[in-house]
Amino acid sequence: EAQVTQNPRYLITVTGKKLTVTCSQNMNHEYMSWYRQDPGLGLRQIYYSMNVEATDKGDVPEGYKVSRKEKRNFPLILESPSPNQTSLYFCASSQRGYNEQFFGPGTRLTVL
Amino acid sequence: DQQVKQNSPSLSVQEGRISILNCDYTNSMFDYFLWYKKYPAEGPTFLISISSIKDKNEDGRFTVFLNKSAKHLSLHIVPSQPGDSAVYFCAASDPLTQGGSEKLVFGKGTKLTVNP
Repeated sequence: EAQVTQNPRYLITVTGKKLTVTCSQNMNHEYMSWYRQDPGLGLRQIYYSMNVEATDKGDVPEGYKVSRKEKRNFPLILESPSPNQTSLYFCASSQRGYNEQFFGPGTRLTVL
Repeated sequence: DQQVKQNSPSLSVQEGRISILNCDYTNSMFDYFLWYKKYPAEGPTFLISISSIKDKNEDGRFTVFLNKSAKHLSLHIVPSQPGDSAVYFCAASDPLTQGGSEKLVFGKGTKLTVNP
């Protein structure tokens, strides 16, 4: 089954404790992206990757890091999480960035 | 600066009636538009799209209309069903070939409620 998976689905952590949210896709897509969804703000892009070893900032990259060492995986790293990073995070993939993107189920992150 | 705007945060309609969700954009370089549907606790799922060379695209109960001169698109759902209750996101495509970064630019979403 074609899908984008994210782990964990839910996470509660404390300020400053490094965390990683994993994302994996099995569709051999070139493009992967991370978004955050906040009430009243819609979906905002954090980082994207057009191919392996090629990543770039989206609209709200501050406080986040990503890596793309393999085509299928695109982890999101929060080196020192802060409460303003409490949000719902979605990973997505597509063949190209301007095509239909397939979204993962989301990760609900709470930073205390 | 919001390039894709969905000015109605919410919309409520009766089952069987038409739902019309609207979306406006400001960037004339956008050439491909998409609608996504999102249920609670799930990721957004692609619903329907339209290329800028067309003014209408239909898929079952869902039709998207594009008015390029007005920089406006709309999603029509006929007839509306309670299962259509979800948040709908409009998105516009900014292809690299036109000088933009490859990405989808999303609106803030409209929450549709279809009442039985």
